[in-house]
Amino acid sequence: GEDVEQSLFLSVREGDSSVINCTYTDSSPTYLYWYKQEPGAGLQLLTYIFSNMDMKQDQRLTVLLNKKDKHLSLRIADTQTGDSAIYFCAEHTGGFKTIFGAGTRLFVKA
Amino acid sequence: GAVVSQHPSWVICKSGTSVKIECRSLDFQATTMFWYRQFPKQSLMLMATSNEGSKATYEQGVEKDKFLINHASLTLSTLTVTSAHPEDSSFYICSASSGSVSEQFFGPGTRLTVL
Repeated sequence: GEDVEQSLFLSVREGDSSVINCTYTDSSPTYLYWYKQEPGAGLQLLTYIFSNMDMKQDQRLTVLLNKKDKHLSLRIADTQTGDSAIYFCAEHTGGFKTIFGAGTRLFVKA
Repeated sequence: GAVVSQHPSWVICKSGTSVKIECRSLDFQATTMFWYRQFPKQSLMLMATSNEGSKATYEQGVEKDKFLINHASLTLSTLTVTSAHPEDSSFYICSASSGSVSEQFFGPGTRLTVL
């Protein structure tokens, strides 16, 4: 079945760039998403990319999609302490179903 | 973006009782709503998908008689955990979509603790 995998933990210094990686197994996802979850809260959609795109940039966020390797990454430039959260990668498969990764905990050190 | 609310935000109940969680889309009509369950430090697991006016579609392994879902209107879906047990304690999150494939808006979640 479909699966999404992410590294579980990332620690960076404030001001540095963070890169969170994700791999997926579905052969033809329609959309790929990055969500942010702060403690005790629901998910906030950060950005998404169509499967026919290679890159999307939105302010401090850059999403790169390598369809050949089924690899998705999220780069956060100038990472701030407020960026500390759990980041979920998700793919939207056929049938209106979204599969989530386990989440990457980003810890930003001041 | 669109706003989805959940009520209550947290609930504590005794084992054997039933708990109802509401999910509302506040500023759009949600043709489809999703219910997820999240265990501590784990990802979201889709429990069921509901379309307004029809029966919910449950994921494999989710007991439909235990987790009753009603999507009575385009702005409200409810999840009732019947005869709750401690192992049902979890963070339940709903999301809503107006039909656009790319847009799924999440509620803030409901933390259920069953004693």
